[in-house]
Formats: sequence, structure tokens, C-alpha cells
Amino acid sequence: DAKTTQPTSMDCAEGRAANLPCNHSTISGNEYVYWYRQIHSQGPQYIIHGLKNNETNEMASLIITEDRKSSTLILPHATLRDTAVYYCIVRVPNSGYSTLTFGKGTMLLVSP
Amino acid sequence: GAGVSQSPSNKVTEKGKDVELRCDPISGHTALYWYRQSLGQGLEFLIYFQGNSAPDKSGLPSDRFSAERTGGSVSTLTIQRTQQEDSAVYLCASSLTLAGTGELFFGEGSRLTVL
Repeated sequence: DAKTTQPTSMDCAEGRAANLPCNHSTISGNEYVYWYRQIHSQGPQYIIHGLKNNETNEMASLIITEDRKSSTLILPHATLRDTAVYYCIVRVPNSGYSTLTFGKGTMLLVSP
Repeated sequence: GAGVSQSPSNKVTEKGKDVELRCDPISGHTALYWYRQSLGQGLEFLIYFQGNSAPDKSGLPSDRFSAERTGGSVSTLTIQRTQQEDSAVYLCASSLTLAGTGELFFGEGSRLTVL
């Protein structure tokens, strides 16, 4: 059962902000939101995670709505190298990694 | 090396043959995971290890699949009597511990093609 819903694909112009949405309307109180990305022919790469507060690191920002039913990953200045499939995942830490389930993700295409 | 290392990077085999895929996790990482990714699909969880122990093997697709980890380090995923539907990229990941919110570090994967 998919616990998250993401658009299949998105386009973004190089240098602009890429805002990738994720719906997780059935998220429970102790589940975190994780984002990973997978560049073509590479293994997935961790980006960021959060519980309920907005988070920022050197790669991206994560905005989680107050009701926690959705979130947005923001790449502030997208580059061509950000073209990848972006996965939004919800899970409870310590619950076993069978729960780290990757869906189809969003294919982000960054164009010149 | 600094990252998760997998070998072989590519493997072509004939249907019915056995294959072994190897994963060398980041030094000091106690948790290790195997996933597979079929063409155009998301990642499918297979199995994880905490140390040398695999508490949950329910993700393995069939009894032709087995995995072991020795010395709390290198892991081997073995597929016996390969079938064409086993063709996929097999990804290994490791994390510092199983518990907590720690991120997974993935290898580049082993691409298996069963003819």
C-alpha cells in the first residue's frame, strides 16, 4: 500500500527553485518524512528528513504542513545535475527497514 | 573506500545458473540492507541485517534467494536457479545503526541480466 503520493514528473528551469510535493494524508504521529533521490544509473541518495518542523540542509529545504498530511521538498536553485527521481517516504524509526518503502517517485527534469 | 561497494557491477547469466552478489558496507556501519529495482520500477526491499543477523526474511521473493553477512561486514546475496524475472539492479545500503533516524547510504548496484 502506497503511503505517499507524488506527481509522476515535473520540469524545472535551471537556476529556478524546484518545489516537489508529496501527500501523506495517513501519516501517523510518530512517522518521519524522508526524501531520497536517484540519479540515473546510481544508487539512491539521502537528501533530508523531518518530523513536523521545517528542515534545511546544504542540499534542500523540507516544508511540512501543520497537519503533516503533506510536504514539499525545495531545491532553491536547481542545476542540471539535480535531474533525478525524487522519492518521498514516511516511516517510523526503529520499525525495521522493511518499512523504508520507495514508491515510483517524481522524475524531475531540470532544463537549461 | 569511503562508500558502499558492490560487485560485480554487471552480471549476465543464463537461466538456471546461480549468482552471487557482494556488498561491502561503509566501515563501522552495523546495519546493511538489500533492495532490488526492476526496469522502470521503484525499489523493492528484500532483507536487512543488524550485525550478522537477519531478523526478517519475508521480503525475499522466493526460496531461491538467500543472503548472509559475516564478521558484521561483507554481505552476499545468492540467487539460485536464476529466472528471467530476476533481472534487475540489486542495491545494497548500509547505515550506522538500525535504530534511530539515520540515513541509508546506497551503493551503485549490481545489474543482473538473466538470459
